[in-house]
Amino acid sequence: DIQMTQSPSTLSASVGDRVTITCRASQSISTWLAWYQLKPGKAPKLLIYKASTLESGVPSRFSGSGSGTEFTLTISSLQPDDFATYYCQQYDTYLFTFGPGTKVDIK
Amino acid sequence: QVQLVESGGGVVQPGRSLRLSCAASGFAFSLYPLHWVRQAPGTGLEWVATISDDGSKQYYADSVKGRVTISGDKSKSTLSLQMNSLRVEDTAVYYCARGPPLNPLGPFDYWGQGTLVTVSS
Repeated sequence: DIQMTQSPSTLSASVGDRVTITCRASQSISTWLAWYQLKPGKAPKLLIYKASTLESGVPSRFSGSGSGTEFTLTISSLQPDDFATYYCQQYDTYLFTFGPGTKVDIK
Repeated sequence: QVQLVESGGGVVQPGRSLRLSCAASGFAFSLYPLHWVRQAPGTGLEWVATISDDGSKQYYADSVKGRVTISGDKSKSTLSLQMNSLRVEDTAVYYCARGPPLNPLGPFDYWGQGTLVTVSS
């Protein structure tokens, strides 16, 4: 199975900060990677797919990059609505796997 | 608009069974693969099962294989997850999610809000 790791596990930041989250795969997944935002009591939200393609309706302050085994999610200027937990997911194989998550909280 | 609404969660004893449902609307049910994903308390997301758009293929996580069956009812646009021999570690919020049309391998673009399953004696 492909294992996914994320760093950091928790990130404290302020409104307006640039935030970067890293995701690593245990083997190459090309660009078959998605990023999701999860808030308590709400449906998870797809932000980015194919490593760098912004899902329709997602603000342009979100961006993704990477290929192979290393990927990043960047929020260019953190907004109050962005405090949440972020997960990467590989969809290179049917045994879909998620990273352990990165919680972005208020500094 | 696309909607996925889960139901069927509750408290159940270890070893018993439970059937979750996900009512889909706003899209052509038979053209999209569908998934179940869960989140145990204090932990991250875990993929559970997938059914292909035509219902002919099912895929399961090792943690549930042999105990869980995913199925779809096109006439009712409803996805189901039959869970047997439940364990304490199956306690989680269960989400249904949609994949891209005609391709089980893809990102999950719409999710429901989840239904809580608690396995406890």
